[in-house]
Amino acid sequence: QVQLVESGGGVVQPGSSLRLACAGSGFSFRNFAMYWVRQAPGKGLEWLAVISSDGNNIYYADSVTGRFFISRDNSKNTLYLQMSSPRLEDTAVYYCARALGGSTENFIVYWGQGTLVTVSS
Amino acid sequence: QSVLIQPPSASGTPGQRVTISCSGSSSYIGTDYVYWYQQLPGAAPKLLIYRNDQRPSGVPDRFSGSKSGTSASLAISGLRSEDEADYYCATRDDSLSSWVFGGGTKLTVL
Repeated sequence: QVQLVESGGGVVQPGSSLRLACAGSGFSFRNFAMYWVRQAPGKGLEWLAVISSDGNNIYYADSVTGRFFISRDNSKNTLYLQMSSPRLEDTAVYYCARALGGSTENFIVYWGQGTLVTVSS
Repeated sequence: QSVLIQPPSASGTPGQRVTISCSGSSSYIGTDYVYWYQQLPGAAPKLLIYRNDQRPSGVPDRFSGSKSGTSASLAISGLRSEDEADYYCATRDDSLSSWVFGGGTKLTVL
């Protein structure tokens, strides 16, 4: 069955950097677009970024453009989110998710369990 | 404030039918499909409805979706205690290649 396991969360200082990873298994990782979505404590879901199956098409939410960077390594079945200069308001559970197909137009079908990132000095 | 507007809360008693609305605009919902996700307490979201009114396998037919113009609705019939969760609508903006979620609706089963 499809499994998405996020890692790399923790406490990070404002202005530093952090890289999240998401390992996919139970499916052909290279064939599917992937997403990052976050949820601040007690708040709703916020779409952050999407990357196509081949990595050639990437789109970001305005809130993270220029600060966060999504990438993937299909040889390792792994999705990444590089967080640069995190802010206090970036504190959230970060979910990795898999799309229905390979293009970024495909909707989210499967979700990981999330990893908590706390930005604090 | 999300561009997709949902009521913050909804409630019903077991067996009732409850409807959750999702209001958008010509840029959001008006030109693309609507999706619904269910998030049970302490859990990750789960796909509930895709492409306005389609149910993934395993989702009970008590759940149904619809879309009209720039609004969409999720209906839950035969309400059960296990339906108590947060529900989110979502859609895509073709012009920006971006996705957006509604603010979420917390459903309470009284």
